[in-house]
Amino acid sequence: QKEVEQDPGPLSVPEGAIVSLNCTYSNSAFQYFMWYRQYSRKGPELLMYTYSSGNKEDGRFTAQVDKSSKYISLFIRDSQPSDSATYLCAMSPRAQKLVFGQGTRLTINP
Amino acid sequence: GAGVSQTPSNKVTEKGKYVELRCDPISGHTALYWYRQSLGQGPEFLIYFQGTGAADDSGLPNDRFFAVRPEGSVSTLKIQRTERGDSAVYLCASSLTTGAETQYFGPGTRLLVL
Repeated sequence: QKEVEQDPGPLSVPEGAIVSLNCTYSNSAFQYFMWYRQYSRKGPELLMYTYSSGNKEDGRFTAQVDKSSKYISLFIRDSQPSDSATYLCAMSPRAQKLVFGQGTRLTINP
Repeated sequence: GAGVSQTPSNKVTEKGKYVELRCDPISGHTALYWYRQSLGQGPEFLIYFQGTGAADDSGLPNDRFFAVRPEGSVSTLKIQRTERGDSAVYLCASSLTTGAETQYFGPGTRLLVL
């Protein structure tokens, strides 16, 4: 079993919809939780990070961490076609070597 | 400012050959990371450097893989006796210090072993 599980999708939603992406993990030592966005043939780009439990909001994006359930989520409000990409969750005990999920491929349809 | 750059962007080689992949981190970043991303998968950690020294090389799959960072800036990932299973995108990332939350990734080198 992988340390980080993420549904690979693909996920396809209409423009303007709320998107929910999530990951589960097994390592209770993880303290740093990140969401990366990766466009085709590009490197991952950090969207948000959260330390320990709680919520964090940045514009249309909200990240949630529930350490008791070992479950993290990313919500995208008012989704746009430009949000179409692969979304990767990543985690680490000390923000050093990151353990990534498989990535979810998301398409926003105009 | 300039981001992380990686060269070459694509590399095609034959099984058994030796390859070198180069990473130029963001200027002033002391931590440098190498990851490998297979098709349809998330990146997997290989090794990271703090300055010139390898702080953690636990992700290197075997002794055919080696990385150096002799002056604490540019890093080279070296793969000996390449195998078809080494085909992947090799990503480099840098951060201001070890433990800084933001790792900035380069575009990757796409390695194809025939």
